Formats: sequence, C-alpha cells, structure tokens
Amino acid sequence: EVQLVESGGGLVKPGGSLRLSCAASGFTFSSYSMNWVRQAPGKGLEWVSSISSSSSYIYYADSVKGRFTISRDNAKNSLYLQMNSLRAEDTAVYYCASGPRIQDAFDIWGQGTMVTVSS
Amino acid sequence: EIVMTQSPATLSVSPGERATLSCRASQSVSSNLAWYQQKPGQAPRLLIYGASTRATGIPARFSGSGSGTEFTLTISSLQSEDFAVYYCQQYNNWPLWTFGQGTKVEIK
Repeated sequence: EVQLVESGGGLVKPGGSLRLSCAASGFTFSSYSMNWVRQAPGKGLEWVSSISSSSSYIYYADSVKGRFTISRDNAKNSLYLQMNSLRAEDTAVYYCASGPRIQDAFDIWGQGTMVTVSS
Repeated sequence: EIVMTQSPATLSVSPGERATLSCRASQSVSSNLAWYQQKPGQAPRLLIYGASTRATGIPARFSGSGSGTEFTLTISSLQSEDFAVYYCQQYNNWPLWTFGQGTKVEIK
C-alpha cells in the first residue's frame, strides 16, 4: 500500500524548534519529488517547501525561507522538515505530499501532523 | 505569484444533482491545474491533474475542463461521499505552487 506517515508535531513556544518527519512506503521514494504543505486551523492549503528526488533542487515559500529546512534520506525512505524560529502563524497541520516530478501535481498525501506554536 | 480564485465559496446541492465548481488564475497556467478533495479531518486527495485527467481510482462522475485562466470541476451526480471541500492548485509557475481558497460543497 502506498503510504506517507508524518510525525514530530506538537506544542512549541514561539522562537522554538521542531523537526517533522515523513516516512514513505509502497513506492520508490527515491524517484519522487517531495513536498510539505500546511493548513492553518479552518483555513486553506499553503505550499511550504519542495525537494527533488536527488535533493538537487530545493524550494521554500517566502513565509518560511531562512527558518525552515527541508531534507530527505532516500536510504531511509524519509522526508524531513526542520523548523526553527517558530511563530504563532506557523500553527497548522503539516502534510507531506509526493509528486512524480517537482513540477507535477501532488498525488500522494500523508495524514498530517499538527504543529501548535503558543506560549 | 499566481492567485487562484475559486467560486462559489459554498455550493448547496442535493444528492443526485450536478455540481459545477470554478477556478480562475490571475495569469495563464496552461493546463497545469489540479483539483483536490478534502473531507473533514482528512488529508487532501488528488482528483484531477493536467486540468482534465482523472487521478487513479477517481470515479468518472468527476470531470475537469479548461485551460489558460479558466477551469471547471464538474461532479455529474453528487453522491453522499462527495460532500467536501474542493481546492484547485496551479503547478505551472513552479517553484511557487498556489492553491485556491476552496469551495465547500454541502448538502442542500
């Protein structure tokens, strides 16, 4: 079964850090680009970051650039998002999603992990 | 940044009726347009990519059309499981993928 499972979410104080993980199974992870998309409570979807299959290309939304770092370990079939200098406006459910190529739609989504930034 | 605008915000439809959702891009995205369905408490699910190609396992009652700046998602005969929020997404102007604000399809 094709599956993405996120973990690592939780409650963190403003200015704090958190590392999200996304474990992939059921498909050739190393051949797919990967993405993080977030959804604030009651709001729509916002693209956060993308990484190509070999990590050659990495992109960030302006709202997280300089604070978040995306990475992947193809040997472990895992995607990561290191989040530093967290702000209240980063509070959201974070989804990992895959696509055949970095310029494609996101065809597989995980169930999401909740990040709450609050004092 | 390409702004995606969906209309209406909420669509009230009776089961068995046809639903038509619209998505407009602030500039041309060619056919690089996807539609996603999201039910409460669940992750989004890809329905349509390339503006009109159904994703794997998506029923034929879902169809997409359009190109350039105007796109439409049609659900030919609404089933109970189709009541959800639908998002369009452009992936033409990468690496700056943008989503519409969503259309909620509710039971009339």
